[in-house]
Amino acid sequence: DTGVSQDPRHKITKRGQNVTFRCDPISEHNRLYWYRQTLGQGPEFLTYFQNEAQLEKSRLLSDRFSAERPKGSFSTLEIQRTEQGDSAMYLCASSRDYLAKNIQYFGAGTRLSVL
Amino acid sequence: QKEVEQNSGPLSVPEGAIASLNCTYSDRGSQSFFWYRQYSGKSPELIMSIYSNGDKEDGRFTAQLNKASQYVSLLIRDSQPSDSATYLCAGPTNAGGTSYGKLTFGQGTILTVHP
Repeated sequence: DTGVSQDPRHKITKRGQNVTFRCDPISEHNRLYWYRQTLGQGPEFLTYFQNEAQLEKSRLLSDRFSAERPKGSFSTLEIQRTEQGDSAMYLCASSRDYLAKNIQYFGAGTRLSVL
Repeated sequence: QKEVEQNSGPLSVPEGAIASLNCTYSDRGSQSFFWYRQYSGKSPELIMSIYSNGDKEDGRFTAQLNKASQYVSLLIRDSQPSDSATYLCAGPTNAGGTSYGKLTFGQGTILTVHP
């Protein structure tokens, strides 16, 4: 069990560019979540997957955001045409199915700065 | 009303004292709650989960859940400077007690333990 892994840890980009983040969950976890956190706030839910199925997306997730988990293992979160308001910490978490009470474990996060 | 709300703090306690952190929630059907600790610049780390009314103890930490009052608390006994962090309360969103999906986080309480 190596924990949830996120890459990159930091990303600096210019406004209007596209960025993609990767998350590798804990190996036996079939649920994967994306959250966004800004300074002084708790994480806000963006979307989650059970295996390869994307089960829910937040209203916060504009059309510029897309997430995939093609083989039910790692996931990618892409932001197109980044805006300064996208600057935040993007957190990935994973959990086993509901029988394990959905305890979510977080990765180290990807800090995005949009200039 | 926010779905999960924490007293904003910050909270400062002397080393060795009991730190008390509080959280209220709006969904009466919610049945599981989590406390995460987050050091500055790091990702949230799970420290306690609680599913039943009453107290749950783990070392120096005690979580308390009162479903009638829709109230969750975390007590930290014998507080240490290393406990200085932001503490996040989280519960299921619109769960009705049956969903084990996304979490809603409070805004966090900053705890400082001074020597």
